[in-house]
Amino acid sequence: GAVVSQHPSWVICKSGTSVKIECRSLDFQATTMFWYRQFPKQSLMLMATSNEGSKATYEQGVEKDKFLINHASLTLSTLTVTSAHPEDSSFYICSARAGQPRETQYFGPGTRLLVL
Amino acid sequence: GQNIDQPTEMTATEGAIVQINCTYQTSGFNGLFWYQQHAGEAPTFLSYNVLDGLEEKGRFSSFLSRSKGYSYLLLKELQMKDSASYLCAVTDSNYQLIWGAGTKLIIKP
Repeated sequence: GAVVSQHPSWVICKSGTSVKIECRSLDFQATTMFWYRQFPKQSLMLMATSNEGSKATYEQGVEKDKFLINHASLTLSTLTVTSAHPEDSSFYICSARAGQPRETQYFGPGTRLLVL
Repeated sequence: GQNIDQPTEMTATEGAIVQINCTYQTSGFNGLFWYQQHAGEAPTFLSYNVLDGLEEKGRFSSFLSRSKGYSYLLLKELQMKDSASYLCAVTDSNYQLIWGAGTKLIIKP
């Protein structure tokens, strides 16, 4: 159990375009989903936390107008990188948590974004 | 501030045992997680400790001492596939998950 999927796994796009990444919890209801970014050889960096049906909470320094998060259902959250630039190229990983805050976060396989 | 410390890199030999330490200073404590992350992949859950003591799961064990703000991950009978980064993460009083930078474990034949 506790499977989280992400789509797409790889995306290459031109600078200025928008990219949508989907995160789904396949076998449990995720009341909370998290979006992380990880640059090569660096730590995971939490970008935002989203609870189903409410607005996402963004970490300091993360532009909410650039990284749009929608958590419309208990099994789906989306991250849209708007007007992507080469510096947005990174590994984007979502995780999902069921129920209580002390519950484990389970990670999706990640999405590699390359902006040309 | 909140801080989690773990060694940047460790090297061990196939078949041996290795212990990866993690110390933390956080505002409150609601549990400690260990995750494994292979290069180019997302983290996968290994263990969760909220009470003091040792939790054993196959070749992997995790220990916690809340009074010392200390945990370790013990890997036995090391295999080449265990080469990965091992991430320590602590849930604070606000149930925020605070991440360590990870320990890169290199296994040599």
